[in-house]
Amino acid sequence: TQLLEQSPQFLSIQEGENLTVYCNSSSVFSSLQWYRQEPGEGPVLLVTVVTGGEVKKLKRLTFQFGDARKDSSLHITAAQPGDTGLYLCAGAGGNTGKLIFGQGTTLQVKP
Amino acid sequence: KAGVTQTPRYLIKTRGQQVTLSCSPISGHRSVSWYQQTPGQGLQFLFEYFSETQRNKGNFPGRFSGRQFSNSRSEMNVSTLELGDSALYLCASSVPGLNSPLHFGNGTRLTVT
Repeated sequence: TQLLEQSPQFLSIQEGENLTVYCNSSSVFSSLQWYRQEPGEGPVLLVTVVTGGEVKKLKRLTFQFGDARKDSSLHITAAQPGDTGLYLCAGAGGNTGKLIFGQGTTLQVKP
Repeated sequence: KAGVTQTPRYLIKTRGQQVTLSCSPISGHRSVSWYQQTPGQGLQFLFEYFSETQRNKGNFPGRFSGRQFSNSRSEMNVSTLELGDSALYLCASSVPGLNSPLHFGNGTRLTVT
């Protein structure tokens, strides 16, 4: 069974702090997608990383795909209250043919 | 372009009843996937439809079923509801492609009492 493990599950920080969320698996994926979900809404795609070692930046968010395409990280610099939400990683292209989601990381950024 | 639309937004049912949820994908998207989201289990894949055919199925009992119509709209049905079926049901549409992202609706919140 393919699994994606995210850590930490919960994170509560002050505005201005930095944080990193990890997404790990023993399986190789063709790509990793990161989504953010706010209360009462569906997840929204933030980024897709495809190449091993790839780094993508989205304003204060930096996404990295591991060299072996088994893991990924999301780093947020100087977190803002607007970053609050559930962050989900999802692996594509595994042997199941479907997108596999991690359990999610709930981030709370306090002003 | 209109996003993915799910109806209804909220639903309250009692044990033993059945329920049908509806999803209208983004225009031009022929693939529709359904997920169940609960605090304890996260996002669990239910099934995926493409061009009216079920292409993939998750590990859910036969009480959970779905279908897709020729206009790509999809419905999922849950029969003989159990308390544990209380969850947020999310529908997502996408274009074909291994790395294609999912475009989610805002979900249907089902409460079973």
